Amino acid sequence: QTVVTQEPSFSVSPGGTVTLTCGLTFDSVSASYYPSWYQQPPGQAPRTLIYSTDTRSSGVPDRFSGSILGNKAALTITGAQADDESDYYCALYMGSGIWVFGGGTKLTVL
Amino acid sequence: EVQLVESGGGSVQPGGSLRLSCAASGFTFRTDWMHWVRQAPGKGLVWVSRINGDGSATYYADSVKGRLTISRDNAKNTLFLQMDSLRAEDTAVYFCVRGRGTHGDWEWRGQGTLVIVSS
Repeated sequence: QTVVTQEPSFSVSPGGTVTLTCGLTFDSVSASYYPSWYQQPPGQAPRTLIYSTDTRSSGVPDRFSGSILGNKAALTITGAQADDESDYYCALYMGSGIWVFGGGTKLTVL
Repeated sequence: EVQLVESGGGSVQPGGSLRLSCAASGFTFRTDWMHWVRQAPGKGLVWVSRINGDGSATYYADSVKGRLTISRDNAKNTLFLQMDSLRAEDTAVYFCVRGRGTHGDWEWRGQGTLVIVSS
């Protein structure tokens, strides 16, 4: 059963802005879930973009930002570039030491 | 420079065992949480397990509880994942990930090690 939900795919034009979301099937996402975002380019290992809702990881450009929008966590990419084309995963801390990833969003830049 | 080098993957029959290792360097290993995350071919990331700095606290995804065991040797800066009673659905690349103190700020440095469970 899917617990953490993400859009399966999204597309954005070069230079455009896109917002990906991360929800829960049984609750609203809040900061207490420490929503985090990871980027995985094709054929590469993931890297951390955002953790604890809105903190950018070291070296991540400020084109990437995290927030809570309504009842979901959100990752916004502004000024999209060709090398932003990747899979994006959110992860939520469920408490009791457990983390759960969403199914990922495949972002196309075209 | 932080390095995380996974090893120990391979092919194994259902019901078999494997032990994965992750050699860490470039940071104070004994102070950091460490995680295993896996990715089946063509599929998404799945969190598997984590362990605290001194090894006294471990947590597991329900899908692996009782079959996979995380441990560490701080004297050798090495993280382990003992995999027993393996199933076809355990087939995946396994990534060793460093937790940098704050929830979710994870450092991914390795390319992972591939485990194939098949008869």
